[in-house]
Amino acid sequence: QKEVEQDPGPLSVPEGAIVSLNCTYSNSAFQYFMWYRQYSRKGPELLMYTYSSGNKEDGRFTAQVDKSSKYISLFIRDSQPSDSATYLCAMLPRGGFKTIFGAGTRLFVKA
Amino acid sequence: SQTIHQWPATLVQPVGSPLSLECTVEGTSNPNLYWYRQAAGRGLQLLFYSVGIGQISSEVPQNLSASRPQDRQFILSSKKLLLSDSGFYLCAWSVTSGGTYEQYFGPGTRLTVT
Repeated sequence: QKEVEQDPGPLSVPEGAIVSLNCTYSNSAFQYFMWYRQYSRKGPELLMYTYSSGNKEDGRFTAQVDKSSKYISLFIRDSQPSDSATYLCAMLPRGGFKTIFGAGTRLFVKA
Repeated sequence: SQTIHQWPATLVQPVGSPLSLECTVEGTSNPNLYWYRQAAGRGLQLLFYSVGIGQISSEVPQNLSASRPQDRQFILSSKKLLLSDSGFYLCAWSVTSGGTYEQYFGPGTRLTVT
């Protein structure tokens, strides 16, 4: 079993839709939960992170962590064609150095 | 501001040739440094990480090696490339402290071994 599981998609939605991206994990030591966006042929860009648990909101993006279910989510409201990219979840234990990445979900937002 | 440089951007090398990819970081001190590889349509595979000068941890046993000769310089090398070494190589640095997290990736090097 992989430490972090993420559905690779692709996920295709119309412009303006609410997008839900998810990851599950098995290591209960994870304390940092991150979401990255990666455009084609570019390096990943850190979108947002959550430490420990709870929700975090940044503009149209909301990250949620449910440690009891070992499940994290990223919601994108009012999705735009410019949101079309691959979204990678990632996790890190407190005091650790090895960030573990999911496989990434490819998202297409159609105008 | 934090900046991370990687070069070259694209590289085509024959099987059996050597490799040297360089990464330098600006705007931070004593970062954790990483080399990742991403195969087409795949996730990020951690190859090496370093928590200080001269300290290298290898995650994947293969014909690649890494060195950190200076605090903000990280080098990925190979003496003889294999076809399976093709991929998108990404350098990154991170800092975590008291619940805060920062990680930045470089622009990447796309390596094709022919």
